[in-house]
Amino acid sequence: GNSVTQMEGPVTLSEEAFLTINCTYTATGYPSLFWYVQYPGEGLQLLLKATKADDKGSNKGFEATYRKETTSFHLEKGSVQVSDSAVYFCALIKNQGGKLIFGQGTELSVKP
Amino acid sequence: DGGITQSPKYLFRKEGQNVTLSCEQNLNHDAMYWYRQDPGQGLRLIYYSQIVNDFQKGDIAEGYSVSREKKESFPLTVTSAQKNPTAFYLCASSMPGDRTERLSGNTIYFGEGSWLTVV
Repeated sequence: GNSVTQMEGPVTLSEEAFLTINCTYTATGYPSLFWYVQYPGEGLQLLLKATKADDKGSNKGFEATYRKETTSFHLEKGSVQVSDSAVYFCALIKNQGGKLIFGQGTELSVKP
Repeated sequence: DGGITQSPKYLFRKEGQNVTLSCEQNLNHDAMYWYRQDPGQGLRLIYYSQIVNDFQKGDIAEGYSVSREKKESFPLTVTSAQKNPTAFYLCASSMPGDRTERLSGNTIYFGEGSWLTVV
């Protein structure tokens, strides 16, 4: 079946460090891929998305490229800030109107 | 402003009691979803509905019930049969759309969540 696997957290970085959170998926066909962010005590916010191979999603300095050959959608940011501290979820949708399948989430903590 | 509204934000349930979490959206979305999140874990799908008057069980539907009488509303009832209901509950919605929507990405939007605690 369809699934998403993320690197385990927590990830602790110093401010201005480079961030990579790995995400790989298992799915037939061409799913749409998403990164969501959850700040403490809040719901999920869409961070970025990509709908076909080689698409790059970007938002707020974060980027992720849809790599079909490696079935990956790794999240990157060149210089993290304390305000980026949150839990990040990788997810996919296989069909329109279908279910959103989440990874287990990766907690990021950025220290000043 | 358009969005998804969940209420209440915090709810306490006594043993053996049913409680209902409200979810309302004014985005004119066809599909709505309920997810459960436990501390340190990912999200698990409870129920989803793709159109009015229709809904399907997700991965952990036991002990929960839903209704979809109106497009904008998808309330979740946590019944006494749910033995471990303490969790963070998230409602979401999306517009499945046609082929054009598929090309633009079928994004699911979330509410702010409701905390349910058994006392």
